[in-house]
Formats: sequence, C-alpha cells, structure tokens
Amino acid sequence: QTVVTQEPSLTVSPGGTVTLTCASSTGVVTSGHYPNWFQQKPGQAPRALFYSTTNKHSWTPARFSGSLLGGEAVLTLSGVQPEDEAEYYCLLYYGGSWVFGGGTKLTVL
Amino acid sequence: QVQLVQSGSELKKPGASVRVSCKASGYTFSTYAMSWVRQAPGQGLEWMGWINTKTGNPTYAQGFTGRFVFSLDTSVSTAYLQISSLKAEDTAIYYCARDGPSGSYFDYWGQGTLVTVSS
Repeated sequence: QTVVTQEPSLTVSPGGTVTLTCASSTGVVTSGHYPNWFQQKPGQAPRALFYSTTNKHSWTPARFSGSLLGGEAVLTLSGVQPEDEAEYYCLLYYGGSWVFGGGTKLTVL
Repeated sequence: QVQLVQSGSELKKPGASVRVSCKASGYTFSTYAMSWVRQAPGQGLEWMGWINTKTGNPTYAQGFTGRFVFSLDTSVSTAYLQISSLKAEDTAIYYCARDGPSGSYFDYWGQGTLVTVSS
C-alpha cells in the first residue's frame, strides 16, 4: 500500500518562511505524480492551492509556491500570515489512483 | 461561478443505507469528472474514487468497493454517493470535488456532508 508522508506539524512565526514536504513510499516524487496541495481550516472544506506541482489556482495567494526538491513535492509559504494557520494536505497520483498525505498542521505563532 | 452544493447531514443506524448528493452549477456538468473524498472525525483526507460524468463509469479506490456506489443524474447536474450496510466506521464527512480543466484536479469542493452511523 502506497503511503504519502508529510510532517505532522510545523510552527512558523508571522512574516517567516516555512517549507512543507510531501514524500512517497515508492521513491522519488516526480511531475508524473501531479502533486496537488490543499489547505483546510477547521470546519471548512479543503481548498485547492496547487495542481501539477507548480500551477496555482486563481485564488492561491502569491506568497505560496509549489515545487519539487530533493525527490519530494514542496509547498513553501513566504511572509506567513496569521490566516495561513491551517492543515495542509498533499495529493499524489499513482497511475489511476490518488493518495493523500496525512496532512501537516501549520501553526502560526 | 462554479458551485458544488451537497445534501445535509444524515444520522443512520448500522445496516442502513444513505445517499449523499452533490449538485453542480456554474459549468457544464458532463465536462468534468467528479471525485469523492472521505474524512473521518479528526482524521485526514481519503480519496474514494471518481465518476466519469460523460459516461457514468465509476472507478473506486481500494477499500471502497462493494458497499459504495457512485452515480449521476445529468438532467439535474447531480452526482450521488450511496453507501449501503452502514457501519460505525463509515461515520465521516464526505466531500465531492470536481476534476477541473487542464489537469486542475479537485479544483472545486462541495461543503461536505456529515454521515453519522450510530445505534
């Protein structure tokens, strides 16, 4: 069974920069996994942030960026705002099926 | 604007069935596939599968075969998730999510439907 691993939790100061990673139990994450990133705040539905690694949705804040680095998918938040406190999920494609990561709880403190 | 509006919360007894609806608006329904995602209380997201809104052909993820059925009524731009023989562990929020254009999968989400299974 394929497992997608994210940091369980991270803390960042307002205005700081934080990197969230997304690793695959099958090996290197590539563009062929079409990495997606989602933000979910308590009591809300997930909101799409990125698709196919680097492609933003029209509503994705400019301070967010997506990339591949060191064999993992990466979500970087620069100039973090208090409203960025949320759970972040990555999603990877495995030839016909999708697997979510376990999520990273980002605290802005 | 694109909207996915899901049906309201459900409380069911073990062994019963439930049907969750997801009504789409703001785009041509049959243009984009629809996925279903489960989130158990306090847990992460789990992809359940998807349905081709042109052909009605469903694809189920591992662990979601047998009791789970995806269906459509294209005349009212609505996707359905039916779960039969409900168990306590089916208690979760169920989301529909559109597979958008140009590879932007899961671009729009419904608000979620809480299904509670309890005797």
